Amino acid sequence: DAGVIQSPRHEVTEMGQEVTLRCKPISGHNSLFWYRQTMMRGLELLIYFNNNVPIDDSGMPEDRFSAKMPNASFSTLKIQPSEPRDSAVYFCASTTGTLAKNIQYFGAGTRLSVL
Amino acid sequence: AQSVSQHNHHVILSEAASLELGCNYSYGGTVNLFWYVQYPGQHLQLLLKYFSGDPLVKGIKGFEAEFIKSKFSFNLRKPSVQWSDTAEYFCAVNVENRDDKIIFGKGTRLHILP
Repeated sequence: DAGVIQSPRHEVTEMGQEVTLRCKPISGHNSLFWYRQTMMRGLELLIYFNNNVPIDDSGMPEDRFSAKMPNASFSTLKIQPSEPRDSAVYFCASTTGTLAKNIQYFGAGTRLSVL
Repeated sequence: AQSVSQHNHHVILSEAASLELGCNYSYGGTVNLFWYVQYPGQHLQLLLKYFSGDPLVKGIKGFEAEFIKSKFSFNLRKPSVQWSDTAEYFCAVNVENRDDKIIFGKGTRLHILP
């Protein structure tokens, strides 16, 4: 299995632009998580989906952030408009859920820089 | 509030020194416990996990952790560290049968001097 695949690996954009991050979970996994990692705040859970349905989005910082999971093999995290304080590494993770005791498998991350 | 606490934010050790990283959680009920490691420039990887049974669990690369239920702790240990152990270590907790979410601690940056 190729693992969790994220794209792009690096994104540099200007303030105000729309940014879309993509994630392909491991085949057969039914839960998907989006995290943000910064030096100041550490690893924060933004949102997670179970069977393509958003379960908990309490970590989404504000309305500029949105996430979708149109099918079991694809999810997007969109920031519009982007701001410099959104600069971070964004990780996607997936798990088979309670059947596997929730071991999460992480993608390589997208390093976002908003200028 | 429910939380996962890692007491040391930054630890510096020399090679061959012994390591213990603290982790405490404040959730009641049955929990699943994890330590993840993030090597420089890489993603998080599972180091070890505890679900049930022997409270002393062994993971990869000589790491082990002990679950002490009465102390709500799951400390990570290694008797002799190597330079290649330089990484950030995250403790994490999932509450059994609640949901699929796991809560991560803030992480501990470990720097091993050669």
